[in-house]
Amino acid sequence: NAGVTQTPKFQVLKTGQSMTLQCAQDMNHNSMYWYRQDPGMGLRLIYYSASEGTTDKGEVPNGYNVSRLNKREFSLRLESAAPSQTSVYFCASSGGGLTDTQYFGPGTRLTVL
Amino acid sequence: GENVEQHPSTLSVQEGDSAVIKCTYSDSASNYFPWYKQELGKRPQLIIDIRSNVGEKKDQRIAVTLNKTAKHFSLHITETQPEDSAVYFCAASIYNFNKFYFGSGTKLNVKP
Repeated sequence: NAGVTQTPKFQVLKTGQSMTLQCAQDMNHNSMYWYRQDPGMGLRLIYYSASEGTTDKGEVPNGYNVSRLNKREFSLRLESAAPSQTSVYFCASSGGGLTDTQYFGPGTRLTVL
Repeated sequence: GENVEQHPSTLSVQEGDSAVIKCTYSDSASNYFPWYKQELGKRPQLIIDIRSNVGEKKDQRIAVTLNKTAKHFSLHITETQPEDSAVYFCAASIYNFNKFYFGSGTKLNVKP
């Protein structure tokens, strides 16, 4: 099992460019999540998908869109990147039950110039 | 929504000493509290968790305690080792909401 995988690992964008971060899990989990991690601010939820076909906003959704392509894949799109979106992005998945552990991907380090 | 506060932001201990990290939460509906360890440049990984129907849980040198009345929970690491050095995050989850709210993290430094 690869667990949760993310691509790319690193990315540099110019202001206004767009890109999509990809996430996939092979654990047959129902729920998937996108977080951003900034120094001193912990992990903040951008969007999540409780199950295939559903998505919901988290704490900081502005400037992002998501797609739950199927049960395995959950992508995050930046339509017009801004320097404030420079961060490390983590995808996570969980079985979906109350106490199911969240498993994190390796992260994508994004820099917007 | 839920608000999770974590203290201290940094903690430095001597090898062999104990370390305690504390978190408070605001929503009494929260009933699942995981703790994650994140080493530099790596992903967060679950180290221990506790449900609201349990007051304490231990796993070797790590323990977590929960006080539902006061709405706070703590991570205790005994006999610390240099490899315990990392950032630790607490989180709280509200039943059926599929959302996890994280504390801002504690950077633990264990000095040999």
